[in-house]
Amino acid sequence: NAGVTQTPKFRVLKTGQSMTLLCAQDMNHEYMYWYRQDPGMGLRLIHYSVGEGTTAKGEVPDGYNVSRLKKQNFLLGLESAAPSQTSVYFCASSYGSGAEAFFGQGTRLTVV
Amino acid sequence: KQEVTQIPAALSVPEGENLVLNCSFTDSAIYNLQWFRQDPGKGLTSLLLIQSSQREQTSGRLNASLDKSSGRSTLYIAASQPGDSATYLCALAGSARQLTFGSGTQLTVLP
Repeated sequence: NAGVTQTPKFRVLKTGQSMTLLCAQDMNHEYMYWYRQDPGMGLRLIHYSVGEGTTAKGEVPDGYNVSRLKKQNFLLGLESAAPSQTSVYFCASSYGSGAEAFFGQGTRLTVV
Repeated sequence: KQEVTQIPAALSVPEGENLVLNCSFTDSAIYNLQWFRQDPGKGLTSLLLIQSSQREQTSGRLNASLDKSSGRSTLYIAASQPGDSATYLCALAGSARQLTFGSGTQLTVLP
């Protein structure tokens, strides 16, 4: 069972470069989320989606954009990477607001 | 704004000991509370989910309780094993449909 799959798993970017992180889930979940995890800060929500074609801002949305063109995919974009975006990024999905959340394995991003 | 606190930040116990991890939160208007396990360099694995209307959930050696009135949840691990060593995170789903996480408790079980 694939569950939630993130690509890539590791990436190094130069300041100012752009990239897209892909999250795919095969559980037919409506809700999808992008979090970042930083030492001492815990996991913080960047953006989320409550269904195909919808997106909403989380706690730390600045510098990121997202799209949910297909129900199974949730893309996180960095238009102009900054060293402050060095982090581990996690995607998650759930069936609904009261349902169990499932996480991907994470993407470790370093911006130099 | 929901704030979630986990104490202690780190815990070291000998194998076989029963232990309790604590999670406290400031806003009792929640949909559910979820406990996760995270191994170094890995993703989060869901351990237990407690719905807002429930008081506890059990899975094997794990038991999680929820007391909304006091803003607390505990994760009880019975007969701890070295394989239980990991970081344990609690997270609350609130009215905004978002999970708010605590900073976690890093558990080490010594053989």
